[in-house]
Amino acid sequence: GAVVSQHPSWVICKSGTSVKIECRSLDFQATTMFWYRQFPKQSLMLMATSNEGSKATYEQGVEKDKFLINHASLTLSTLTVTSAHPEDSSFYICSAQGGLADNTGELFFGEGSRLTVL
Amino acid sequence: GQSLEQPSEVTAVEGAIVQINCTYQTSGFYGLSWYQQHDGGAPTFLSYNALDGLEETGRFSSFLSRSDSYGYLLLQELQMKDSASYFCAVRRGGADGLTFGKGTHLIIQP
Repeated sequence: GAVVSQHPSWVICKSGTSVKIECRSLDFQATTMFWYRQFPKQSLMLMATSNEGSKATYEQGVEKDKFLINHASLTLSTLTVTSAHPEDSSFYICSAQGGLADNTGELFFGEGSRLTVL
Repeated sequence: GQSLEQPSEVTAVEGAIVQINCTYQTSGFYGLSWYQQHDGGAPTFLSYNALDGLEETGRFSSFLSRSDSYGYLLLQELQMKDSASYFCAVRRGGADGLTFGKGTHLIIQP
């Protein structure tokens, strides 16, 4: 199957700083990438959808100025948590798909990035 | 909007069969998916149903009834490694992300 890689796996930062998380599709071109957030013992919540070369589409309630998403190439999307606060501590997961031609329904997920804001 | 309902926790014994049900309400429908997630890990894809009926993949099977907005995941010959959370998920369309249910924590007892 297709491989999606996230970096870093773990990150600890001080309150008020910004953190960038990378999501790469290693063996296919991802026209669309999705970013999710998961708090402990809870479900995954879709934050935004990013398409290569265009602005991300954010889900209701997600602050686009706080969670900056860039999808500059077909293999890389980045999520930047700006001015992070302890309540932003969460597990952030990306997923990618190669295009509408894929009818298997499978989305490929990265390993996730666990953010802890002190 | 979209919402999915699934049991929060199911307990079964090793070697048994367990069924995890999922009902959904969605404004658009592009199939029902099932994902497995172990503690601290990322979700892994198990199955996908776009049409009514049963899909079988090894020990796992998934069923969909679009008229009932209902599906289930069937796990057979349960093993201890199957202890995990299982999520049903839907997409509005082929270009949309997944909306996940709250997850079912499956506990396997020896």
